[in-house]
Amino acid sequence: GESVGLHLPTLSVQEGDNSIINCAYSNSASDYFIWYKQESGKGPQFIIDIRSNMDKRQGQRVTVLLNKTVKHLSLQIAATQPGDSAVYFCAEGEGNKLVFGAGTILRVKS
Amino acid sequence: DTGVSQNPRHKITKRGQNVTFRCDPISEHNRLYWYRQTLGQGPEFLTYFQNEAQLEKSRLLSDRFSAERPKGSFSTLEIQRTEQGDSAMYLCASSLNRAGEQYFGPGTRLTVT
Repeated sequence: GESVGLHLPTLSVQEGDNSIINCAYSNSASDYFIWYKQESGKGPQFIIDIRSNMDKRQGQRVTVLLNKTVKHLSLQIAATQPGDSAVYFCAEGEGNKLVFGAGTILRVKS
Repeated sequence: DTGVSQNPRHKITKRGQNVTFRCDPISEHNRLYWYRQTLGQGPEFLTYFQNEAQLEKSRLLSDRFSAERPKGSFSTLEIQRTEQGDSAMYLCASSLNRAGEQYFGPGTRLTVT
């Protein structure tokens, strides 16, 4: 499968703790942002999105925060579980395409 | 399974050969996208279809790459005269009516030897 993470930042958390994954984006004109989860050997899995006119959106166990002033996006995962272990990508929407960031590895320790 | 499907999942080819990949999007989705992903990187946009019309192509898509979506349903991506630098995971995604909330397939891993 896909072996990622040779040079990706890694976040290690204890099972049950909350995780916060951060992302800096570049285009202030992007009108939406998306978080994806990618497990080894699989395609990216949609988690949650947020439009640029919002600063917070909540899903099931996840919250996305958008700070347009500093062009920063974060994904908060509550009560992190071993199944959350993966690479997480933020993506910004530019017209009809997504521009992905570099990714962060999340490792959940049991 | 009603998600995006891609075939084949793996392809090994010799340099100079042509390869073709297929993507079947989620059935009601009118938008289809191709991306390429190399090790340790996020996916990079290649091209986008709305129904059967190819509306946008990245500069990454050289003349050796061509994509079609003849009936507005499945799509094919062909790479002619493959080079070792073409080795990557080729991902297809689809969405309904808006560019956000794209759903990805499992990808086709291409290895050019």
